[in-house]
Amino acid sequence: EPEVTQTPSHQVTQMGQEVILRCVPISNHLYFYWYRQILGQKVEFLVSFYNNEISEKSEIFDDQFSVERPDGSNFTLKIRSTKLEDSAMYFCASSEGGGVLQNEQYFGPGTRLTVT
Amino acid sequence: GIQVEQSPPDLILQEGANSTLRCNFSDSVNNLQWFHQNPWGQLINLFYIPSGTKQNGRLSATTVATERYSLLYISSSQTTDSGVYFCAALPYYGNNRLAFGKGNQVVVIP
Repeated sequence: EPEVTQTPSHQVTQMGQEVILRCVPISNHLYFYWYRQILGQKVEFLVSFYNNEISEKSEIFDDQFSVERPDGSNFTLKIRSTKLEDSAMYFCASSEGGGVLQNEQYFGPGTRLTVT
Repeated sequence: GIQVEQSPPDLILQEGANSTLRCNFSDSVNNLQWFHQNPWGQLINLFYIPSGTKQNGRLSATTVATERYSLLYISSSQTTDSGVYFCAALPYYGNNRLAFGKGNQVVVIP
């Protein structure tokens, strides 16, 4: 069964450093997402991406964050200058469609980001 | 935005017992998903169930969209069922952000 993959599984970085989290969505999916979960809290939406542009973003997704689909298979989340409060599990997800059609979202296993 | 409330927040079960987890949502939805978060933090898709009933082994789910709730049933629970169960809803009015509840923490003891 096709699945979303994410690398690395765990990343430790120092405050102020840039990190790039990588995801390979399911190949025929057209909508891509990033969510995050701070330890012990619920999962929160960050951003959705369709047709090579951001379609929606939350208030969490400020200028420190950016997303990119650099080639036909990868989808990345970049955090420019990490802060302690960016420590969280980051989940990538994809769906075949959006809105009312084919909108089941498939989640990857997550990248645990630890900022020290 | 849409509000998603899950109950009970915590549940302790004896192995072999049955349980029901509830998810209430505040608005019409066109997507409702249940996930199980395992001890490694991974979110495992359980059900995509915007309406109706589905079964997968010892788990089943029912969503009554007109009354804005969904139920997840665990039958004959096993210790591997332990973890956090999340409900997530996509509102009908067009955005694609899944709104998650706070989860049901389930512990199954042998």
